[in-house]
Amino acid sequence: DAKTTQPPSMDCAEGRAANLPCNHSTISGNEYVYWYRQIHSQGPQYIIHGLKNNETNEMASLIITEDRKSSTLILPHATLRDTAVYYCIVGANNLFFGTGTRLTVIP
Amino acid sequence: GAGVSQTPSNKVTEKGKYVELRCDPISGHTALYWYRQSLGQGPEFLIYFQGTGAADDSGLPNDRFFAVRPEGSVSTLKIQRTERGDSAVYLCASSLTGTGLAGANVLTFGAGSRLTVL
Repeated sequence: DAKTTQPPSMDCAEGRAANLPCNHSTISGNEYVYWYRQIHSQGPQYIIHGLKNNETNEMASLIITEDRKSSTLILPHATLRDTAVYYCIVGANNLFFGTGTRLTVIP
Repeated sequence: GAGVSQTPSNKVTEKGKYVELRCDPISGHTALYWYRQSLGQGPEFLIYFQGTGAADDSGLPNDRFFAVRPEGSVSTLKIQRTERGDSAVYLCASSLTGTGLAGANVLTFGAGSRLTVL
């Protein structure tokens, strides 16, 4: 079963930062936080992951709280192509998806 | 190959028929996962393999569903006596190690096989 809680939907203006929250209060010590996104009719696409430290790559930044009970995915300059369902997942060997956050980037 | 390949991309069948869905993972990936996704829902875990063996098959909904990975690469998901409720997109993913103990377990997904049972 999914171990994360995310808001069902969010809007973001094009060019602005999109901040997507995720609660994972039952995360275990060896579990990573992963973010994936799914654009309509495609398979989920990996974005970023982290264990304890904040992470950044070419797609996004991941901020993990010190107690690791929540995290935020940041898309620094959202574009229309970032409209998708974003999934926050915690796990080790096996990854269970919840229902995600549907992000709509508005022109 | 460069990515995870799934065939067929679309399959329409009649209730009661047998169906096979194939997944060709990234070369060298030891772990392979099957998920099922219904409209408006997140991917639902079915089974995952470490090499040739099923490490966790707790997500298979009933004994009509079965999956194999005989040589540790290509996997086939088999559905017997299909029902209309089996209609969904079946997603396959692979990862290098399948374990988060030695580091992160990043999955790469295929585009999915859309199954429609009439």
